[in-house]
Amino acid sequence: AQSVTQLGSHVSVSEGALVLLRCNYSSSVPPYLFWYVQYPNQGLQLLLKYTSAATLVKGINGFEAEFKKSETSFHLTKPSAHMSDAAEYFCAVSLTDSWGKLQFGAGTQVVVTP
Amino acid sequence: EAGVTQFPSHSVIEKGQTVTLRCDPISGHDNLYWYRRVMGKEIKFLLHFVKESKQDESGMPNNRFLAERTGGTYSTLKVQPAELEDSGVYFCASSQDPRPPFFGPGTRLTVL
Repeated sequence: AQSVTQLGSHVSVSEGALVLLRCNYSSSVPPYLFWYVQYPNQGLQLLLKYTSAATLVKGINGFEAEFKKSETSFHLTKPSAHMSDAAEYFCAVSLTDSWGKLQFGAGTQVVVTP
Repeated sequence: EAGVTQFPSHSVIEKGQTVTLRCDPISGHDNLYWYRRVMGKEIKFLLHFVKESKQDESGMPNNRFLAERTGGTYSTLKVQPAELEDSGVYFCASSQDPRPPFFGPGTRLTVL
């Protein structure tokens, strides 16, 4: 069975500081992994995806994530937080090859302080 | 291009009543998904349509939930009769293989 665990339901980061959101996965096969972001009153937006090509994946808005098989991790980072990064972030693993059936983590709410 | 739209954005109903949620996917997307997030829990998969056919409904909680997709276009999710535990945010998503799904803003359902 595949699953994802996000460490920390709430993260507070200062503007300009590093954003690090942790995601660990459990999968019996090579996984397809995703990070989504939900801004207030909006739908989930795809930040980036890992599909077994490069292990360092660059996404939108300056975010990137590194797939580490040895650690079963897919942590999301951004070097310098901006106020507009305040949102809820979800790590997800695909349950099928078509990528649409996703297993989500519990989500991490990011607060950015001035 | 227009995104995935959902209607209504909020719905408050009494226990035992019926509610119908609607989703309009991105034009041309064959795949349509329904997900639900109950307060404090993960977003959970409910079901998957390919055009008008149900491909996978393994996540549907029980037979009080009925999903349809008319002519392979919009979809409805009916809850009848609604129970307190049905409260949550219902998300619709659509995709065209082999891409990840685009999500709508969700419908917040409150059952009193």
